[in-house]
This record gives sequence, structure tokens and C-alpha cells, in this order.
Amino acid sequence: DAGVIQSPRHEVTEMGQEVTLRCKPISGHDYLFWYRQTMMRGLELLIYFNNNVPIDDSGMPEDRFSAKMPNASFSTLKIQPSEPRDSAVYFCASGTGGDYGYTFGSGTRLTVV
Amino acid sequence: QKEVEQNSGPLSVPEGAIASLNCTYSDRGSQSFFWYRQYSGKSPELIMFIYSNGDKEDGRFTAQLNKASQYVSLLIRDSQPSDSATYLCATRGRRGKLQFGAGTQVVVTP
Repeated sequence: DAGVIQSPRHEVTEMGQEVTLRCKPISGHDYLFWYRQTMMRGLELLIYFNNNVPIDDSGMPEDRFSAKMPNASFSTLKIQPSEPRDSAVYFCASGTGGDYGYTFGSGTRLTVV
Repeated sequence: QKEVEQNSGPLSVPEGAIASLNCTYSDRGSQSFFWYRQYSGKSPELIMFIYSNGDKEDGRFTAQLNKASQYVSLLIRDSQPSDSATYLCATRGRRGKLQFGAGTQVVVTP
């Protein structure tokens, strides 16, 4: 299996632009998580899905952030409009919800200038 | 109070010694507990999971869980320079929610 695939690896955008991050989970995994990591705040849970349904989006910072999972093999995290404080590494992780943990993608490093 | 608490470190450990990392959690409904290792600039990598009280050993790593005290620990025996990384404690709660602590940076000195 290719693991959890995220794209793009790096994204540099100007303030006010729309940014879309993409994630393909491991086949057969029914949980998908979006995290944001910064030096100051560590690894923050933004939202997670089970069987394509959002379960908890309480970590989404504000209405500028939205996430979708239209099917079991694809999810997006969108920021519109982007701001410099959104600069961070965004990770996607997937798993089966059992006791065996979750696998992370390589992350997307977002820089908003 | 954060749901998962860890000392941020850095924890300096001589090569060959034992590194001891601690983690406490607030949700008594937490069902499974994980230790992830994250090298600088890389994504977190699962190294241990535990869900029953007691010890679980895997190679040089031992995870310990005490649900009554809401405490999880990780021991790294015979520490190597390649163990220098940030170690993240995570809990899986009801409905599969996975929460992380801030991580403990470990530095193994030759």
C-alpha cells in the first residue's frame, strides 16, 4: 500500500487566496483525521471523519476552514480566504479506529505571505 | 487543562542509558494509548500502542499504562543517537477521536 497520500507537499500562497489541501487515505481505513502542526501550538486536531461522515469539527478554527470527504478514498481541507496565521504543516491521518493506531501522510507545508 | 499532557523537554539522555517519558490524560473514557515518534521535518510515526493496564514491551521500547492514575509512560532502553526525536503521546477516546500531547523532545548525547 502507498500509505496516506497528501498533496501538495508544499504550498505558498498570498493572503486572501483560496487554498485546497488533498488527502487519499489508506484503502480500507474508515477514519480520517486532519491535523495542523505549529511550533507554538503543537499538533491540533481540526476535524475527523468516520465512514465519510464528519464526527467532530470542534477544532476547526473558524468559518474560513472547511473539510469534505465525498467518498472513502478522498478528502479535502479548504481555507478561504487564507491568512498568514494559517501557515503551518497540515497532516492527514487514517486508520480503522481499532487499537492499532493511525497512519500519517507526509504533510502539506503551507506558507501564506 | 489540555486533554493530554507531556513535559516538553528537552530530555537529555546519555547514549546507552534509559529514557523515561511520561504522559497524563484527562478523559477517563480513553480506550487506547499510543506513542508516536517524530523526527524534525517528518510526519509522526507510530512506535507503540497499549490498551490494557501494565507493561508492553517491543524491542528497546516499553510502554506502561495505569488507567486508575490516568498515566502512560514510555521507556527507551539502550538509547541511541537515532532515538533523538520528539515523542508524542496520544489517546483514542470514544468514537475514535485521537488527541495528542505537545510532545517531549529527546536528545541522546554520545
